[in-house]
Amino acid sequence: GAVVSQHPSRVICKSGTSVKIECRSLDFQATTMFWYRQFPKQSLMLMATSNEGSKATYEQGVEKDKFLINHASLTLSTLTVTSAHPEDSSFYICSARRGQAEQYFGPGTRLTVT
Amino acid sequence: DQQVKQNSPSLSVQEGRISILNCDYTNSMFDYFLWYKKYPAEGPTFLISISSIKDKNEDGRFTVFLNKSAKHLSLHIVPSQPGDSAVYFCAARGGGADGLTFGKGTHLIIQP
Repeated sequence: GAVVSQHPSRVICKSGTSVKIECRSLDFQATTMFWYRQFPKQSLMLMATSNEGSKATYEQGVEKDKFLINHASLTLSTLTVTSAHPEDSSFYICSARRGQAEQYFGPGTRLTVT
Repeated sequence: DQQVKQNSPSLSVQEGRISILNCDYTNSMFDYFLWYKKYPAEGPTFLISISSIKDKNEDGRFTVFLNKSAKHLSLHIVPSQPGDSAVYFCAARGGGADGLTFGKGTHLIIQP
């Protein structure tokens, strides 16, 4: 299957600081990448759709000024959590679309804000 | 309002038997359905998908069935193996959205 990587896998930061998470498709080019968030015992919730060369599309309730997305190339999308707060602590997962609709997911990033 | 529902939080099946995981959806605009397998602290792994124009898709031990009139799909795993123990998520795409809408998952436990 397709390989998608994320970095870092785990990050702890202090409240008020910003954190950047990278998502890379390693063996294919992805014009569209997605960012999801999963809280404990909950499902994955789509946060935004990242399109190469254009602005991201955010889901309702997701603050675009807080979660900055940059899709700089066909293999890289970044999510920056600005002015992080403890309630932003979660498991962030990216995916890259290949083919009609199959999305291949990265391993996820565990963010803990203290 | 949850558009994709997996009503069984967990399912226990004996090794070698068939595992049947169910999923219901409410949005009639969904046109593509996928099943993912997930381990804790890892990203989901794509298993199998089906387009709304089909009613069955098979890949090895995995078969997905789609009943559009009932807005229901199921994943069959046969024979079940210990390595199949994981959380299985049903996901759907459509209605003008590019991203996936996930169910809450079913924890499948394969007993030896």
